[in-house]
Amino acid sequence: AQSVTQPDIHITVSEGASLELRCNYSYGATPYLFWYVQSPGQGLQLLLKYFSGDTLVQGIKGFEAEFKRSQSSFNLRKPSVHWSDAAEYFCAVVTYSGGGADGLTFGKGTHLIIQP
Amino acid sequence: DGGITQSPKYLFRKEGQNVTLSCEQNLNHDAMYWYRQDPGQGLRLIYYSQIVNDFQKGDIAEGYSVSREKKESFPLTVTSAQKNPTAFYLCASSITGTPGELFFGEGSRLTVL
Repeated sequence: AQSVTQPDIHITVSEGASLELRCNYSYGATPYLFWYVQSPGQGLQLLLKYFSGDTLVQGIKGFEAEFKRSQSSFNLRKPSVHWSDAAEYFCAVVTYSGGGADGLTFGKGTHLIIQP
Repeated sequence: DGGITQSPKYLFRKEGQNVTLSCEQNLNHDAMYWYRQDPGQGLRLIYYSQIVNDFQKGDIAEGYSVSREKKESFPLTVTSAQKNPTAFYLCASSITGTPGELFFGEGSRLTVL
């Protein structure tokens, strides 16, 4: 079965510093991978996605992620964080059954705190 | 504006009562999903529907029921059989053929008193 692990429950970064959020996946074939962001009490918003091709993908709000098959990772990065980036971040992988795509399996999330 | 509307935003219920959460979308999406979110647990799939009048159980369907009589509507009923229903519930939709690209509502927070 497909699974996603986000090793860091909380990360604290100073405003203006760079950011990297880790994500490891378990899937036999080439996965479809996603990063979502959630502000408190809100729904989730898609940041970026990887299906195939270029392993460095660009997303919204200045985020990017790199797919590394050898490490089973899909880490999210941003060169300089802003206070508005404080949120919960979820990595996810598409799951499949005999009938096709079932939806997404999410990691447990990383809570990003921005220090002034 | 197109989007997904969940209602109510906050809901309180007594133990033993059924409650229905509404999810309506005007995005013309075929697929709709219900996720449950608990602190530190991420999101877990309850039910999903790829087409009208058809739906499948997700990972944690026990104690929940759904219907999909119209393309734009996918209500979730939390029954008295759900042992721990207090949670944040999220509805989402997607275009068939773009798995994983979900559009989410703003969620409904259910508290059992």
